[in-house]
Amino acid sequence: SQQGEEDPQALSIQEGENATMNCSYKTSINNLQWYRQNSGRGLVHLILIRSNEREKHSGRLRVTLDTSKKSSSLLITASRAADTASYFCATDGETSGSRLTFGEGTQLTVNP
Amino acid sequence: DAGVIQSPRHEVTEMGQEVTLRCKPISGHNSLFWYRQTMMRGLELLIYFNNNVPIDDSGMPEDRFSAKMPNASFSTLKIQPSEPRDSAVYFCASTLTGLVYEQYFGPGTRLTVT
Repeated sequence: SQQGEEDPQALSIQEGENATMNCSYKTSINNLQWYRQNSGRGLVHLILIRSNEREKHSGRLRVTLDTSKKSSSLLITASRAADTASYFCATDGETSGSRLTFGEGTQLTVNP
Repeated sequence: DAGVIQSPRHEVTEMGQEVTLRCKPISGHNSLFWYRQTMMRGLELLIYFNNNVPIDDSGMPEDRFSAKMPNASFSTLKIQPSEPRDSAVYFCASTLTGLVYEQYFGPGTRLTVT
């Protein structure tokens, strides 16, 4: 099974609301990243959080990491229709080298 | 920088034909990854290279798939013979191996095998 598992699989909200997506993983990690994918496009890196960090911010994005629960959350505040996309978490560990393991993604729809 | 470049963007071919997908990584990056994405299986890592050397090809589905990286600025993924179940979007990504592992993805090649 995949290292990263996101939930929910799909999320539909209204513009202006906050969106929270969660990711769980199974083995120890060095870093956890979040990526965004617009329909028909490649993935775009959003933010990286290291295993010794608990929270990180970038603009309207807030990522938390709980290594004891092997989970992370991505919060998008004041969502916009343009935030509509799929969001993936990806992890790398001590033995994975350059390799990332991606979750199955959360499809976020922000309705105008 | 132009980012990761993939060609072609779309490929439609008949079963049994050879398909070659191409990728130019970001200049200076030393790791390159080939992924396949489908609705059923999500994003799968097929193979990755460090400094032009294949490191992990355990994701390559079968012998019909092969990948090469003859130099730091070019890689190919070949499927011969192609089958309808190979229809997917194939992404190439690159990164600079080090303390940070964020990957830069190309726009993908949408392959349809009829």
